[in-house]
Amino acid sequence: AQKITQTQPGMFVQEKEAVTLDCTYDTSDQSYGLFWYKQPSSGEMIFLIYQGSYDEQNATEGRYSLNFQKARKSANLVISASQLGDSAMYFCAMSLDNYGQNFVFGPGTRLSVLP
Amino acid sequence: NAGVTQTPKFQVLKTGQSMTLQCAQDMNHEYMSWYRQDPGMGLRLIHYSVGAGITDQGEVPNGYNVSRSTTEDFPLRLLSAAPSQTSVYFCASSQDRLGNSPLHFGNGTRLTVT
Repeated sequence: AQKITQTQPGMFVQEKEAVTLDCTYDTSDQSYGLFWYKQPSSGEMIFLIYQGSYDEQNATEGRYSLNFQKARKSANLVISASQLGDSAMYFCAMSLDNYGQNFVFGPGTRLSVLP
Repeated sequence: NAGVTQTPKFQVLKTGQSMTLQCAQDMNHEYMSWYRQDPGMGLRLIHYSVGAGITDQGEVPNGYNVSRSTTEDFPLRLLSAAPSQTSVYFCASSQDRLGNSPLHFGNGTRLTVT
């Protein structure tokens, strides 16, 4: 069965520092996508970044980058130069091409950015 | 640009009552789905639809019904509410069939069943 593991229930980071949020996944499929979403305290789900299983380069979107290590089945999110507005829940998710948009989500990591 | 619109934002039900959570999207997306979010469990898929007239069950479908009569609308029906259905519900849509398109979420409905 497909599964996403996020082992850090909570993380703290000092403002302007970088932080890595861990995500490991389990699937026997060869074709899949990995996503990160941000959920601020207001509750909405915000898409941050996507990595395809066949993409050879790590995805980047502004201050977000995805450290994709396929052999280790990990897809860690790196946030550079943390800002107070980055304080939120962060969810790692996986989609399988055979299942379209039926995503599997991890339990989330709560990130707190300290001034 | 509305995106995915969910109503209501909050709802309190008594055990045994029924209700419908509304979801509409204006992006002409084929795929729509409903997730529930519970503390420590991330989001779990309830039902999904790959197009008008086509629906299927997700991971936690019991106690919920869906229909998809139009591309735009995908309502979720609670048949007989139970306290275990207290949760935050998200409707989401996606552009295409493959899993490389992100989900676009509504703002969620917080449901409490007493």
